[in-house]
Amino acid sequence: DIQMTQSPSSLSASVGDRVTITCRASQSISSYLNWYQQIPGKAPKLLIYAASTLQSGVPSRFSGSGSGTDFTFTISSLQPEDFATYYCQQSFRTPVTFGQGTRLEIK
Amino acid sequence: QVQLVQSGTEVRKPGSSVKVSCKASGGTSNTYTLNWVRQAPGQGLEWMGRIIPKFDIKNYAQKFRGRVTFTADESARTAYMELSSLRSEDAAVYFCAREEPQYDFLFDYWGQGTLVSVSS
Repeated sequence: DIQMTQSPSSLSASVGDRVTITCRASQSISSYLNWYQQIPGKAPKLLIYAASTLQSGVPSRFSGSGSGTDFTFTISSLQPEDFATYYCQQSFRTPVTFGQGTRLEIK
Repeated sequence: QVQLVQSGTEVRKPGSSVKVSCKASGGTSNTYTLNWVRQAPGQGLEWMGRIIPKFDIKNYAQKFRGRVTFTADESARTAYMELSSLRSEDAAVYFCAREEPQYDFLFDYWGQGTLVSVSS
């Protein structure tokens, strides 16, 4: 199985901050990397797919980059509604695997 | 707009089975793929497998093979996930998620989740 490792596991930040989350795959997954946001008690929401493509309707303050084994996810200017948990997911090979999540909290 | 509506909370005893439904509505395609993902309390997301109802194709994650069964009623646009021999570790929220038609294993629409509790 492909292991996905996110860092950090948690992060405290303020509204307006720029934050970056990294995701590393245990083997190359080309650009088959997706990012989801999950608010407590809700289903995950797709934000970015193919490493850097913004899902329709998602604000442009969200962005992603990377290929191979190393990926980054960035929020350019945090908004109050962005405090949530973020997951990376590889869709390169089954079993599909997710990172352990990064919990983004208000400082 | 695609909508996935799942069945309600279930409480089961260890050793029993549970069957969760996921009804799809909206969208323009008659061919869709539904994946099942679970999330234990306070934990991350775990993929269980997928079903393509039109072709009755099923892929199961190795971890669940032999214990999980995916079925579907295509006319009702409803998929089912049945998990047997339940143990305490199976207590989780179970989500169905639609796979984007042009991109394998990309989950663009999700059900609201079904809480399954396992307790004696």
